[in-house]
Amino acid sequence: EDQVTQSPEALRLQEGESSSLNCSYTVSGLRGLFWYRQDPGKGPEFLFTLYSAGEEKEKERLKATLTKKESFLHITAPKPEDSATYLCAVLWGGSQGNLIFGKGTKLSVKP
Amino acid sequence: DTEVTQTPKHLVMGMTNKKSLKCEQHMGHRAMYWYKQKAKKPPELMFVYSYEKLSINESVPSRFSPECPNSSLLNLHLHALQPEDSALYLCASSQDQSSGNSYEQYFGPGTRLTVT
Repeated sequence: EDQVTQSPEALRLQEGESSSLNCSYTVSGLRGLFWYRQDPGKGPEFLFTLYSAGEEKEKERLKATLTKKESFLHITAPKPEDSATYLCAVLWGGSQGNLIFGKGTKLSVKP
Repeated sequence: DTEVTQTPKHLVMGMTNKKSLKCEQHMGHRAMYWYKQKAKKPPELMFVYSYEKLSINESVPSRFSPECPNSSLLNLHLHALQPEDSALYLCASSQDQSSGNSYEQYFGPGTRLTVT
């Protein structure tokens, strides 16, 4: 059973069409939830860290939120340059400091 | 500055070759990581160094040998690899890795490895 599940696997949006990506987790003792953006053939780029339910963080067109069971990455009025794979990862009490990644959501934004 | 650098960007090697991947960070981070990423998959943890000591080895075959010469450098020595080892190898660093802290990891651009 996956401990971190991201949905949808792929998302196609028109430029300006807002939407949300989901990351649900089943680990206990969450120590942190991290969002990354990854472009093809490149390393993941750190976006946000969320530590506790109710926390929100924003950066340009992106806003990340956290509940006790899941996190959402809201994308407002996306642009083609927002096209990438978005990875969610969690750090939990039993993970010895290593991240558990979801499989990612591939976002495509068409002009 | 949150930059992690990796060299080389691309590497092609035969199954009998010996090569090394290098990673460097100057953020004063005390934890460094090696990940392997296959196409359309998330990164998979291979090794973790904390304060220059190997703290996690995720049952990686011995043909991969990590080394941490100092707090800023991390190497991955490769020997007798198999074609299935072809992947993007990512290095990352974080401020710390102890159980009481939850620091984000910063990734390098990766080395694209092809084993022929």
